[in-house]
Amino acid sequence: KQEVTQIPAALSVPEGENLVLNCSFTDSAIYNLQWFRQDPGKGLTSLLLIQSSQREQTSGRLNASLDKSSGRSTLYIAASQPGDSATYLCAVGLIQGAQKLVFGQGTRLTINP
Amino acid sequence: EPEVTQTPSHQVTQMGQEVILRCVPISNHLYFYWYRQILGQKVEFLVSFYNNEISEKSEIFDDQFSVERPDGSNFTLKIRSTKLEDSAMYFCASSEQGFGTQYFGPGTRLLVL
Repeated sequence: KQEVTQIPAALSVPEGENLVLNCSFTDSAIYNLQWFRQDPGKGLTSLLLIQSSQREQTSGRLNASLDKSSGRSTLYIAASQPGDSATYLCAVGLIQGAQKLVFGQGTRLTINP
Repeated sequence: EPEVTQTPSHQVTQMGQEVILRCVPISNHLYFYWYRQILGQKVEFLVSFYNNEISEKSEIFDDQFSVERPDGSNFTLKIRSTKLEDSAMYFCASSEQGFGTQYFGPGTRLLVL
C-alpha cells in the first residue's frame, strides 16, 4: 500500500529565505506527483504536476523535483513571502486503475515578515 | 479562469439523515473525483467517475455512498444515512485527462450531529 510522508510537519522561516519541502513515497510505481497548497479551511490549489518520466517542473518561484527510484520529491520555494504561508501537500498518482491521488499529511509553512 | 465549484459550503445534519453534496466540475473535464479530509487528517480518495460510471472506489465508499452525474454539468455525492464519523470536508475534483492535473473545489464542510 502506497504511503506518502512529508517532513517536516511544520516550518517557520523569515521572509526572503529559500526553502525546501520534502515528500517521500513508499512505492515507486507512480504515474505522476502533484503539489498542492491549502489555506486554512479552504480547498486545494494545484501548484505543479510532475509526470513520472520527468525530473522537475518549474512555475515562477516554485521548482519541484522528482526522483522516482528513491521515492522522493522536493518543492523548492525561492525568495519566500508572507503570502506563501499555507499548508503544502504532495500527492502521488497511482498507475493502476483510474488515477487516484494518495496524499501526504502536509507541511505547514509560516513565513515571518 | 475556470474552476470547480461546490455547494453548499457548509452543511449540518442529524445522524441518519441523507445528504447530497453538489459539484460543478470544469466544463471540458471528463474525469471526476470525490475526496474527503477529516479534521487533522490526510486527504483521502473516495471515488473516481468517468463516462457515467465509477472507475474506482475506496474502502470508505461503501453502500451508504453513491455518485451521480444527473445532467451535463453537475456531479453529486449522496450519503444515504449519515454517521458521526462522516463529519469531514468533502472535496470534488476534476481533470481533463485520466492522469492529468486534478483541480479541486473549495470543499463542503459536513457536520453530523
